[in-house]
Amino acid sequence: KQEVTQIPAALSVPEGENLVLNCSFTDSAIYNLQWFRQDPGKGLTSLLLIQSSQREQTSGRLNASLDKSSGRSTLYIAASQPGDSATYLCAVRPRDDYKLSFGAGTTVTVRA
Amino acid sequence: GAGVSQSPSNKVTEKGKDVELRCDPISGHTALYWYRQRLGQGLEFLIYFQGNSAPDKSGLPSDRFSAERTGGSVSTLTIQRTQQEDSAVYLCASSLRGTGEGRDTQYFGPGTRLTVL
Repeated sequence: KQEVTQIPAALSVPEGENLVLNCSFTDSAIYNLQWFRQDPGKGLTSLLLIQSSQREQTSGRLNASLDKSSGRSTLYIAASQPGDSATYLCAVRPRDDYKLSFGAGTTVTVRA
Repeated sequence: GAGVSQSPSNKVTEKGKDVELRCDPISGHTALYWYRQRLGQGLEFLIYFQGNSAPDKSGLPSDRFSAERTGGSVSTLTIQRTQQEDSAVYLCASSLRGTGEGRDTQYFGPGTRLTVL
């Protein structure tokens, strides 16, 4: 069974600092990995999706890397802003299934 | 265009009552998923619909839970004889499905917060 772990569970940084969020998974036979953002009382917003054949994806200030062999992905958020405060979830889709396995998330607070 | 919508946004019910939660996926999306998120925990897969295929119900926690998808679009998740442990946020997602970059991206609705007293 795929286990997805996100460390740390919570993170507080001053505005302008770069954020580094970690996601690890136990089974490297994945189809893709997706990073989501969740705001309180709201659903999930997809940030980046990395196919298993890719090493990274970038969107604006966000960059996600994937090292499938070591079972790790890292989400980098450059020059953090208070609006980046949210919970960030990573989810893995296995190669032979469509069900996503989610981590418990990292709750980020960016202090103005 | 319009995203995934869910209703109601909040539902408070008494233990033992039945509840129905609705999901309207993005138009044209053939795949629809239901997840449950308990307080402080990650999302748990409940059920998956893909086109006209039989749904994958392997994540449903008990026979009190059922779901249907009418006309390949709107889906309803029904919980019978609700229990306090059913309290959670129920999230619906849809995706295009198929191969190709981005087609597998799941788009989530805002969720329904269910509280069972």
